[in-house]
Amino acid sequence: DAMVIQNPRYQVTQFGKPVTLSCSQTLNHNVMYWYQQKSSQAPKLLFHYYDKDFNNEADTPDNFQSRRPNTSFCFLDIRSPGLGDAAMYLCATSGRINSNQPQHFGDGTRLSIL
Amino acid sequence: DQQVKQNSPSLSVQEGRISILNCDYTNSMFDYFLWYKKYPAEGPTFLISISSIKDKNEDGRFTVFLNKSAKHLSLHIVPSQPGDSAVYFCAANAGGTSYGKLTFGQGTILTVHP
Repeated sequence: DAMVIQNPRYQVTQFGKPVTLSCSQTLNHNVMYWYQQKSSQAPKLLFHYYDKDFNNEADTPDNFQSRRPNTSFCFLDIRSPGLGDAAMYLCATSGRINSNQPQHFGDGTRLSIL
Repeated sequence: DQQVKQNSPSLSVQEGRISILNCDYTNSMFDYFLWYKKYPAEGPTFLISISSIKDKNEDGRFTVFLNKSAKHLSLHIVPSQPGDSAVYFCAANAGGTSYGKLTFGQGTILTVHP
């Protein structure tokens, strides 16, 4: 089945220690998104890639970076995680950028900061 | 500024009855609306959507209604089943140059009792 896969499902890191979260997709979608969801809150878009074109949301902290080496993979790098970065991180894809298509989500990575 | 609001954090319904989940939005540029369902430890799964040119869209037991003048949409589930118990997120997209960005509500926890 075509899908969006996130690894790992659970990640524990130390305060200030860089961490990378991974997302892969078999849908061959052009657009990949990263969302942050804190407990009992709405998922919040951090940034997205349209093919290799990277777009940051205005309020995404500089601490968060992303890489997309090819169509299938996208990474979220948190350079110096703080306690406030503990959250569920969701990766999503969609086929076209300015059309009414639903986004397809992975199961998320839950990040804990010690 | 929360542009999409789900004012009921939870809803409890008896099996076989109707479940009605509500969502309000403030941004008049939103022209595409979606409902996602989320089980614990899984990512959001697309359920149903509606374009702003329509006021109703139906898919099996699920119907979404859109009232543009009131900036309100609702999801009706008839009949409700225990397997429908999940968190339901309303989301909206502004189309145009919004690059598919979804703005989510905080979610409503639906519990369907046998």
